Amino acid sequence: NAGVTQTPKFQVLKTGQSMTLQCAQDMNHEYMSWYRQDPGMGLRLIHYSVGAGITDQGEVPNGYNVSRSTTEDFPLRLLSAAPSQTSVYFCASSYSPGGRNEQFFGPGTRLTVL
Amino acid sequence: DAKTTQPNSMESNEEEPVHLPCNHSTISGTDYIHWYRQLPSQGPEYVIHGLTSNVNNRMASLAIAEDRKSSTLILHRATLRDAAVYYCIPQRFNQGGKLIFGQGTELSVKP
Repeated sequence: NAGVTQTPKFQVLKTGQSMTLQCAQDMNHEYMSWYRQDPGMGLRLIHYSVGAGITDQGEVPNGYNVSRSTTEDFPLRLLSAAPSQTSVYFCASSYSPGGRNEQFFGPGTRLTVL
Repeated sequence: DAKTTQPNSMESNEEEPVHLPCNHSTISGTDYIHWYRQLPSQGPEYVIHGLTSNVNNRMASLAIAEDRKSSTLILHRATLRDAAVYYCIPQRFNQGGKLIFGQGTELSVKP
Protein backbone atom coordinates (compact mmCIF):
# COMPACT_ATOMS: atom_id res chain seq x y z
CA ASN A 1 0.00 0.00 0.00
CA ALA A 2 1.15 3.51 -0.83
CA GLY A 3 -0.90 4.88 2.08
CA VAL A 4 -1.87 8.55 1.76
CA THR A 5 -0.26 10.37 -1.14
CA GLN A 6 -0.31 14.10 -1.86
CA THR A 7 0.66 16.07 -4.92
CA PRO A 8 2.37 18.36 -5.52
CA LYS A 9 5.02 18.44 -2.80
CA PHE A 10 5.72 22.13 -3.36
CA GLN A 11 3.78 24.89 -5.12
CA VAL A 12 4.19 28.62 -5.58
CA LEU A 13 1.16 30.66 -6.62
CA LYS A 14 0.47 34.30 -7.27
CA THR A 15 -2.32 36.06 -5.45
CA GLY A 16 -5.65 35.38 -7.14
CA GLN A 17 -4.62 32.15 -8.85
CA SER A 18 -6.56 28.97 -8.22
CA MET A 19 -5.27 25.45 -7.87
CA THR A 20 -6.17 21.99 -6.62
CA LEU A 21 -4.16 20.01 -4.08
CA GLN A 22 -4.53 16.32 -4.68
CA CYS A 23 -4.92 13.65 -2.01
CA ALA A 24 -5.40 9.93 -2.56
CA GLN A 25 -5.45 6.87 -0.32
CA ASP A 26 -5.44 3.19 -1.23
CA MET A 27 -6.60 1.78 2.11
CA ASN A 28 -10.34 1.93 1.36
CA HIS A 29 -10.81 4.44 4.17
CA GLU A 30 -14.19 6.13 4.46
CA TYR A 31 -12.93 9.18 6.34
CA MET A 32 -10.64 11.79 4.88
CA SER A 33 -9.69 15.29 5.95
CA TRP A 34 -7.53 18.29 5.15
CA TYR A 35 -5.44 20.29 7.62
CA ARG A 36 -3.20 23.29 7.33
CA GLN A 37 -0.19 24.04 9.47
CA ASP A 38 1.23 27.53 9.67
CA PRO A 39 4.83 28.04 10.85
CA GLY A 40 5.28 27.19 14.52
CA MET A 41 1.61 26.28 14.93
CA GLY A 42 -0.43 23.13 15.40
CA LEU A 43 -2.63 21.70 12.67
CA ARG A 44 -6.04 23.20 11.94
CA LEU A 45 -8.85 21.30 10.27
CA ILE A 46 -10.11 22.76 6.97
CA HIS A 47 -12.66 20.24 5.66
CA TYR A 48 -13.43 16.62 6.20
CA SER A 49 -15.46 13.85 4.59
CA VAL A 50 -17.21 10.86 6.13
CA GLY A 51 -17.66 9.08 2.82
CA ALA A 52 -18.10 9.57 -0.92
CA GLY A 53 -20.50 12.43 -1.60
CA ILE A 54 -20.43 13.74 1.98
CA THR A 55 -18.26 16.63 3.17
CA ASP A 56 -18.32 19.07 6.06
CA GLN A 57 -16.46 22.13 7.26
CA GLY A 58 -13.75 22.18 9.87
CA GLU A 59 -12.25 25.08 11.83
CA VAL A 60 -10.92 27.16 8.91
CA PRO A 61 -12.93 26.41 5.73
CA ASN A 62 -13.04 29.88 4.16
CA GLY A 63 -11.32 30.10 0.80
CA TYR A 64 -11.31 26.34 0.22
CA ASN A 65 -13.64 23.91 -1.51
CA VAL A 66 -13.71 20.13 -1.40
CA SER A 67 -15.63 17.33 -3.02
CA ARG A 68 -15.54 13.57 -2.60
CA SER A 69 -16.66 11.74 -5.71
CA THR A 70 -14.74 8.54 -4.95
CA THR A 71 -13.60 6.79 -1.80
CA GLU A 72 -9.96 7.13 -2.84
CA ASP A 73 -9.67 10.83 -3.69
CA PHE A 74 -10.29 14.02 -1.72
CA PRO A 75 -9.01 17.09 -3.60
CA LEU A 76 -8.75 20.52 -1.97
CA ARG A 77 -9.39 23.53 -4.18
CA LEU A 78 -8.12 27.02 -3.50
CA LEU A 79 -10.52 29.34 -5.26
CA SER A 80 -8.48 32.57 -5.30
CA ALA A 81 -5.16 32.21 -3.51
CA ALA A 82 -4.17 34.77 -0.89
CA PRO A 83 -0.85 35.22 0.98
CA SER A 84 -2.66 34.17 4.18
CA GLN A 85 -3.02 30.70 2.64
CA THR A 86 0.72 30.19 2.63
CA SER A 87 1.04 27.06 4.71
CA VAL A 88 1.79 23.35 4.72
CA TYR A 89 -1.26 21.27 3.86
CA PHE A 90 -1.76 17.74 5.16
CA CYS A 91 -4.33 15.20 4.07
CA ALA A 92 -5.36 12.36 6.38
CA SER A 93 -7.57 9.30 6.27
CA SER A 94 -9.01 6.78 8.68
CA TYR A 95 -10.97 3.56 8.40
CA SER A 96 -14.17 4.45 10.18
CA PRO A 97 -15.74 7.07 12.43
CA GLY A 98 -14.31 8.19 15.59
CA GLY A 99 -12.16 7.43 18.40
CA ARG A 100 -11.37 3.79 17.87
CA ASN A 101 -9.27 4.26 14.78
CA GLU A 102 -5.96 5.87 14.00
CA GLN A 103 -5.49 8.40 11.24
CA PHE A 104 -2.88 8.17 8.53
CA PHE A 105 -1.34 11.40 7.29
CA GLY A 106 0.23 12.24 3.96
CA PRO A 107 3.66 13.89 3.60
CA GLY A 108 2.21 17.35 3.01
CA THR A 109 2.14 20.02 0.31
CA ARG A 110 4.12 23.17 1.01
CA LEU A 111 2.28 26.11 -0.58
CA THR A 112 3.60 29.64 -0.95
CA VAL A 113 1.34 32.44 -2.19
CA LEU A 114 3.11 35.58 -3.35
CA ASP B 1 -14.63 19.59 22.07
CA ALA B 2 -12.51 18.79 25.09
CA LYS B 3 -9.65 21.20 25.79
CA THR B 4 -6.16 19.90 26.52
CA THR B 5 -3.18 21.30 28.43
CA GLN B 6 0.33 20.07 27.70
CA PRO B 7 3.76 21.46 28.63
CA ASN B 8 5.19 23.51 25.79
CA SER B 9 8.49 21.65 25.87
CA MET B 10 10.35 18.84 27.62
CA GLU B 11 13.88 17.49 27.53
CA SER B 12 15.10 13.96 27.89
CA ASN B 13 18.35 12.07 27.73
CA GLU B 14 18.77 9.31 25.20
CA GLU B 15 17.85 5.82 26.46
CA GLU B 16 16.00 7.20 29.47
CA PRO B 17 12.22 6.96 29.97
CA VAL B 18 10.07 9.97 29.16
CA HIS B 19 6.69 10.78 30.66
CA LEU B 20 4.64 13.29 28.65
CA PRO B 21 1.60 14.57 30.58
CA CYS B 22 -1.71 15.82 29.25
CA ASN B 23 -4.60 17.36 31.13
CA HIS B 24 -8.03 16.95 29.56
CA SER B 25 -10.36 17.75 32.43
CA THR B 26 -13.37 18.51 30.17
CA ILE B 27 -13.24 15.16 28.40
CA SER B 28 -16.55 13.39 27.90
CA GLY B 29 -17.20 9.76 28.76
CA THR B 30 -17.13 8.66 25.11
CA ASP B 31 -13.96 10.49 24.05
CA TYR B 32 -10.99 8.34 23.17
CA ILE B 33 -7.58 9.79 24.05
CA HIS B 34 -5.26 9.82 21.07
CA TRP B 35 -1.60 10.70 20.89
CA TYR B 36 0.13 11.72 17.69
CA ARG B 37 3.61 13.01 17.09
CA GLN B 38 5.13 15.11 14.36
CA LEU B 39 8.77 14.79 13.48
CA PRO B 40 10.44 17.81 11.87
CA SER B 41 9.21 18.46 8.33
CA GLN B 42 6.88 15.45 8.35
CA GLY B 43 3.18 14.81 8.69
CA PRO B 44 1.74 13.70 12.03
CA GLU B 45 2.17 10.05 12.97
CA TYR B 46 -0.18 8.02 15.15
CA VAL B 47 1.37 6.85 18.42
CA ILE B 48 -1.31 5.29 20.60
CA HIS B 49 -4.87 5.69 21.85
CA GLY B 50 -7.09 4.45 24.65
CA LEU B 51 -10.44 4.91 26.36
CA THR B 52 -10.20 3.87 29.99
CA SER B 53 -7.55 1.21 30.47
CA ASN B 54 -3.82 1.65 30.13
CA VAL B 55 -2.56 0.65 26.69
CA ASN B 56 0.75 -0.59 25.34
CA ASN B 57 2.08 -0.91 21.82
CA ARG B 58 5.46 -1.19 20.17
CA MET B 59 5.99 2.58 20.27
CA ALA B 60 4.79 3.63 23.70
CA SER B 61 2.49 3.13 26.68
CA LEU B 62 -0.51 5.23 27.60
CA ALA B 63 -1.49 5.62 31.24
CA ILE B 64 -4.99 7.03 31.76
CA ALA B 65 -6.05 8.41 35.13
CA GLU B 66 -8.97 6.72 36.80
CA ASP B 67 -11.13 9.85 36.44
CA ARG B 68 -9.91 10.21 32.81
CA LYS B 69 -9.09 13.87 33.32
CA SER B 70 -5.45 13.33 32.53
CA SER B 71 -3.18 10.89 30.74
CA THR B 72 0.53 10.28 30.34
CA LEU B 73 2.37 9.04 27.29
CA ILE B 74 5.38 6.96 28.25
CA LEU B 75 8.33 6.40 25.96
CA HIS B 76 10.27 3.67 27.70
CA ARG B 77 13.69 4.42 26.20
CA ALA B 78 13.94 7.68 24.31
CA THR B 79 15.98 7.72 21.14
CA LEU B 80 17.12 10.67 19.05
CA ARG B 81 14.41 9.74 16.55
CA ASP B 82 11.76 10.41 19.22
CA ALA B 83 12.49 14.16 19.13
CA ALA B 84 9.17 15.56 17.91
CA VAL B 85 6.08 17.51 18.88
CA TYR B 86 3.63 15.26 20.75
CA TYR B 87 -0.07 16.00 20.60
CA CYS B 88 -2.70 14.69 23.00
CA ILE B 89 -6.14 14.74 21.35
CA PRO B 90 -9.46 13.66 22.84
CA GLN B 91 -11.64 12.34 20.03
CA ARG B 92 -15.35 11.64 20.01
CA PHE B 93 -16.42 8.17 18.97
CA ASN B 94 -18.46 9.56 16.08
CA GLN B 95 -16.20 12.34 14.83
CA GLY B 96 -14.44 10.36 12.17
CA GLY B 97 -11.81 12.49 10.50
CA LYS B 98 -12.10 15.40 12.90
CA LEU B 99 -8.98 15.76 15.05
CA ILE B 100 -8.52 19.04 16.92
CA PHE B 101 -4.80 19.67 17.44
CA GLY B 102 -3.56 21.86 20.29
CA GLN B 103 -0.06 23.24 20.64
CA GLY B 104 1.51 19.97 21.78
CA THR B 105 4.74 19.30 23.68
CA GLU B 106 8.04 19.67 21.88
CA LEU B 107 10.31 16.88 23.09
CA SER B 108 14.05 17.21 22.64
CA VAL B 109 16.34 14.25 23.25
CA LYS B 110 19.95 14.75 24.21
CA PRO B 111 22.60 12.16 23.32
